[in-house]
Amino acid sequence: DADVTQTPRNRITKTGKRIMLECSQTKGHDRMYWYRQDPGLGLRLIYYSFDVKDINKGEISDGYSVSRQAQAKFSLSLESAIPNQTALYFCATSGSADQETQYFGPGTRLLVL
Amino acid sequence: RKEVEQDPGPFNVPEGATVAFNCTYSNSASQSFFWYRQDCRKEPKLLMSVYSSGNEDGRFTAQLNRASQYISLLIRDSKLSDSATYLCVGKVQGAQKLVFGQGTRLTINP
Repeated sequence: DADVTQTPRNRITKTGKRIMLECSQTKGHDRMYWYRQDPGLGLRLIYYSFDVKDINKGEISDGYSVSRQAQAKFSLSLESAIPNQTALYFCATSGSADQETQYFGPGTRLLVL
Repeated sequence: RKEVEQDPGPFNVPEGATVAFNCTYSNSASQSFFWYRQDCRKEPKLLMSVYSSGNEDGRFTAQLNRASQYISLLIRDSKLSDSATYLCVGKVQGAQKLVFGQGTRLTINP
């Protein structure tokens, strides 16, 4: 079974809708991250969390919110989706002993119409 | 200017060839560097870390040039399975996040 899972894997939604992307991990890592990937722009950090009580904004947090429900779960919400949030979203984890190696989930393809 | 910059390619090379690509970084405080590999429609995975002294892992060699602020990846005897996008990644000492380049797309042709 995959160590980092994301649901849904694909989602089509309409402008203005609220949508939640979920991430779960069985690696026992404290650190979790949400990225989006766009062609020509690479991976950009949205939010990150170093434990259940720690949430930090990344470089492009506007329009997004997160919740760290447990050590193993980190969800990303788009409160009111807009078309330029169409992207490939990745969740990642890292352990405090090796902070620099990140393990990515399989990604969620989101299309906002 | 992007903090980590790569030539997006695509690089198309024949099987068995040697291919190299560079990545430049703008933040001189960057201390740690990595190459990640991303297959089409898949998640990125760590390929190798880049050490100041350079390091080799089989057919792959990574080098760091701090004076010129660039990192390189050399692939020898390329295989069809090396076709992927290679992401250059940097991290500032004490910073909490990685900075990803946009990736270089490599296709190995039979």
